[in-house]
Amino acid sequence: KAGVTQTPRYLIKTRGQQVTLSCSPISGHRSVSWYQQTPGQGLQFLFEYFSETQRNKGNFPGRFSGRQFSNSRSEMNVSTLELGDSALYLCASSLAGAQETQYFGPGTRLLVL
Amino acid sequence: GESVGLHLPTLSVQEGDNSIINCAYSNSASDYFIWYKQESGKGPQFIIDIRSNMDKRQGQRVTVLLNKTVKHLSLQIAATQPGDSAVYFCAEKGVRGSQGNLIFGKGTKLSVKP
Repeated sequence: KAGVTQTPRYLIKTRGQQVTLSCSPISGHRSVSWYQQTPGQGLQFLFEYFSETQRNKGNFPGRFSGRQFSNSRSEMNVSTLELGDSALYLCASSLAGAQETQYFGPGTRLLVL
Repeated sequence: GESVGLHLPTLSVQEGDNSIINCAYSNSASDYFIWYKQESGKGPQFIIDIRSNMDKRQGQRVTVLLNKTVKHLSLQIAATQPGDSAVYFCAEKGVRGSQGNLIFGKGTKLSVKP
């Protein structure tokens, strides 16, 4: 069974631009969570989607948004990029979210210049 | 101002020795705990999990111990190998209102000397 895939793997943007990242969960998994990983803050939860609905949200500004499609694939969008948004963005999928093991993708490395 | 990165605790062990990585968690209501391994340039990889109704769980070369009294979690790796070199994270998940939300510890960097 294929693992979680994320595209693109690397991205360079400039301040003020917006970016969309994509995540394809493990087949059969319905929950997708997004995390931001930086050297300064570690791994932080962004949001979780289940059955096309945002079920939980972390403490990030409204510039960070996401969505989930009927096939469970998910995208996250960051608008008006700031230098501090440079990070590794990780997507994790699980069967149903609650009390289920999350499996991570390789991440998208975003650099904002 | 200058940003300061996380100062990761580092554990250095000799190949073949046992490793013990510790983690303190924050929420006494958390009922599910996971250990992840993250190698450079990769996403976190699931190692082992444990639910709060257990105090010990064993996998292949790994054992997780849970002490709910002091909110402490540990990961023991037997016969540590060079391929075990990575950053190890513990993560906790609460019960209500936090579905899909893992809270990660800061991580411990394990270095294995051949």
